[in-house]
Amino acid sequence: AQTVTQSQPEMSVQEAETVTLSCTYDTSESNYYLFWYKQPPSRQMILVIRQEAYKQQNATENRFSVNFQKAAKSFSLKISDSQLGDTAMYFCAFMKGVSQGNLIFGKGTKLSVKP
Amino acid sequence: DADVTQTPRNRITKTGKRIMLECSQTKGHDRMYWYRQDPGLGLRLIYYSFDVKDINKGEISDGYSVSRQAQAKFSLSLESAIPNQTALYFCATSDLESLYNEQFFGPGTRLTVL
Repeated sequence: AQTVTQSQPEMSVQEAETVTLSCTYDTSESNYYLFWYKQPPSRQMILVIRQEAYKQQNATENRFSVNFQKAAKSFSLKISDSQLGDTAMYFCAFMKGVSQGNLIFGKGTKLSVKP
Repeated sequence: DADVTQTPRNRITKTGKRIMLECSQTKGHDRMYWYRQDPGLGLRLIYYSFDVKDINKGEISDGYSVSRQAQAKFSLSLESAIPNQTALYFCATSDLESLYNEQFFGPGTRLTVL
């Protein structure tokens, strides 16, 4: 069975600085998809970034980027120029394949951005 | 208007009561999901449906049932609610035709069972 581990329950960063959230996963699949979701205090789940395992190039979305290390089964999220609005829970999620569809989530990292 | 809506947004009920949580979507997606979120545990899949005639159990389906009334509607029922079903419940949708099959979530329903 696939598992997703987020080893940092809580983190904090100063506004405008850079922070990296860690995620590791365990799978025997060769192709799969990885996601980072953000959950602000409003509790809405918002997709931040996504990565397909076959793609070696790391995904980027504005201030958000990932460091995908397939051999190490690591998928960390880097937030540059942190903003107060980035304060949220961040969840890493794994999907075995498009045909499977269901996501397996990590337990989350609570990020606080301080002014 | 929101693409994925859930009703009610908050609900307090008593042990033993039957309760239904409803999810509707206007995204035209064929796939729909129900997840449960508990503090410190992330989200866990309860049931999912790839089309109206396809219903599948997820990781934690015991004590729950679902109904896919139409492509746009997917309901979750607790036949006899118990306190450990107190949680935040999310509905999500996805499109098989999309490259990543990414899921889009509703606003959540906070359920409290007394």
